[in-house]
Amino acid sequence: SAVISQKPSRDICQRGTSLTIQCQVDSQVTMMFWYRQQPGQSLTLIATANQGSEATYESGFVIDKFPISRPNLTFSTLTVSNMSPEDSSIYLCSVDLGRDPRFRREGGPYNEQFFGPGTRLTVL
Amino acid sequence: AQSVTQLDSQVPVFEEAPVELRCNYSSSVSVYLFWYVQYPNQGLQLLLKYLSGSTLVESINGFEAEFNKSQTSFHLRKPSVHISDTAEYFCAVSPGGYQKVTFGTGTKLQVIP
Repeated sequence: SAVISQKPSRDICQRGTSLTIQCQVDSQVTMMFWYRQQPGQSLTLIATANQGSEATYESGFVIDKFPISRPNLTFSTLTVSNMSPEDSSIYLCSVDLGRDPRFRREGGPYNEQFFGPGTRLTVL
Repeated sequence: AQSVTQLDSQVPVFEEAPVELRCNYSSSVSVYLFWYVQYPNQGLQLLLKYLSGSTLVESINGFEAEFNKSQTSFHLRKPSVHISDTAEYFCAVSPGGYQKVTFGTGTKLQVIP
């Protein structure tokens, strides 16, 4: 398994500002993921962040709004830019040890995701 | 592409009663199946998973889920719930490999004393 921490755990922000969320993993992992969980809804994948390359964004998400950094194998940041109340969500980072060559088991990869505790963002 | 349906958004149940949380999926290929639990104000935790082999999988806290290929279901059950089981439960599927994991909309389990 992996231990994942996120900062901040929660924040209240004003419209038009930006917030950077940090994600730290206790193991070196190839792939990290950023999800959004809007109130009353399921998880939506924002982007996949691989170390040493540009993040891959899902449909409906763009780099200008959600820039991502992945400077090394244990850390990533997600910035929510020019925020509006619609951005109020829980933002979660995760790692998929099942797809990581360092952890992969025979017959895999298995897509076993481990999540951080989340960042609860409220935009006023 | 695959999809996940969790028919029940909320399930209230009395303490020590049995519970079943339903999950159905659709996919044109074989999938791996997961249940995640999210306790209040926390992130998601992997509860149990079906990758291959026995269709009945168990978690360490008494939950079990059975993969039924013919009915494309992966329902989660527990014979006797505790107050501490109050949480939101998400079913998820993935074709494996480097494909995306798809999550259901979640079921909130409320255990009533």
